[in-house]
Amino acid sequence: KNQVEQSPQSLIILEGKNCTLQCNYTVSPFSNLRWYKQDTGRGPVSLTIMTFSENTKSNGRYTATLDADTKQSSLHITASQLSDSASYICVVRSVLGSGYALNFGKGTSLLVTP
Amino acid sequence: GAGVSQSPRYKVAKRGQDVALRCDPISGHVSLFWYQQALGQGPEFLTYFQNEAQLDKSGLPSDRFFAERPEGSVSTLKIQRTQQEDSAVYLCASSTGTGEHEQYFGPGTRLTVT
Repeated sequence: KNQVEQSPQSLIILEGKNCTLQCNYTVSPFSNLRWYKQDTGRGPVSLTIMTFSENTKSNGRYTATLDADTKQSSLHITASQLSDSASYICVVRSVLGSGYALNFGKGTSLLVTP
Repeated sequence: GAGVSQSPRYKVAKRGQDVALRCDPISGHVSLFWYQQALGQGPEFLTYFQNEAQLDKSGLPSDRFFAERPEGSVSTLKIQRTQQEDSAVYLCASSTGTGEHEQYFGPGTRLTVT
């Protein structure tokens, strides 16, 4: 069964500190991996997308890495801000015949405190 | 331009009632997806439309769930004879295509069945 596991489940950090969120997957065949940010009461918003050949991609203070050999990805947040408080969801896309499937992780709940 | 909108944002239903949840996708987006997100979990795929055609409904949990998109734009997710386990946030997403195209999510409808 295709699975996407995220850790930690929740995290509390002080404003200004860095943090790293992990995503391990068993999805096959792999197509791409996205990290989404979901604010409370809102829909998820894409932060980064990575394909098989990419191993790092940045979007402002967010940097995602991908190791397709070990099937691991991380999302590093630099100089955290209060507005970074949200749930971060890892989504791995797999190809199914002529279609595809999105496999969602359960998310990491991040709280940034003053 | 306007993003994906959903209505109502909150719905409380008594067990056994029927509910209808509406999704207005981004204009011109051919693909539309419905997801169910339980508290503290990642979204779970329910069903997918390409224009007015429902191409995948493998995620619908029972025959009490029904979705339609008759004119290829607005979609309605209907749940008949609601049960307490149906309580969740129902997310709608749309995209321009079915390949690598990003899905844009609406804010969701929080359904509470009492």
